[in-house]
Amino acid sequence: DTGVSQNPRHKITKRGQNVTFRCDPISEHNRLYWYRQTLGQGPEFLTYFQNEAQLEKSRLLSDRFSAERPKGSFSTLEIQRTEQGDSAMYLCASSLLGSPGELFFGEGSRLTVL
Amino acid sequence: AQSVTQLDSQVPVFEEAPVELRCNYSSSVSVYLFWYVQYPNQGLQLLLKYLSGSTLVESINGFEAEFNKSQTSFHLRKPSVHISDTAEYFCAATDSWGKLQFGAGTQVVVTP
Repeated sequence: DTGVSQNPRHKITKRGQNVTFRCDPISEHNRLYWYRQTLGQGPEFLTYFQNEAQLEKSRLLSDRFSAERPKGSFSTLEIQRTEQGDSAMYLCASSLLGSPGELFFGEGSRLTVL
Repeated sequence: AQSVTQLDSQVPVFEEAPVELRCNYSSSVSVYLFWYVQYPNQGLQLLLKYLSGSTLVESINGFEAEFNKSQTSFHLRKPSVHISDTAEYFCAATDSWGKLQFGAGTQVVVTP
């Protein structure tokens, strides 16, 4: 068990560029979550998957954000036409279906939009 | 949907002194409550959880939290803190088996 892995750990980009983050969950976990965290705030829910199905998306998730989990294993979070307000830590977590709220988090991907 | 309020953004405390971190949640028919901890330069980790049963739950490193339905609270306590307890602590809740809502966090700084 190598834990939840996120790549890249840091990304600096210019406004208007697209970025993609990848998350590799713990292998037997069927749920995968994306959260966003800014300085001084707790993690804000973005979306989650059960296997390959995206079950819920936050209203925070604008049309510029898209997440996929094509084979029910790894997931990607893409942000198109980045804005300075997108600068944040993007957290991925995974869990087992029968363990509500018991999330295993990765170390996050920090995005800085210049 | 659940909402979670952590009443203190920062709590300074001396080593070996007690600490209490306050958390209130919005009332719901059923609720599951959690405390997560984030040590410096590490990812969030589950500290303890309340799903049902005994209202007092404990962690392996001496923290405890009590579910109080009438006051909609889930405060976290430790009778004697160590330097290594310096971290940010997040209270979280869910009223379903889906997403987890987090509070804004409480930074605990333990000094000798």
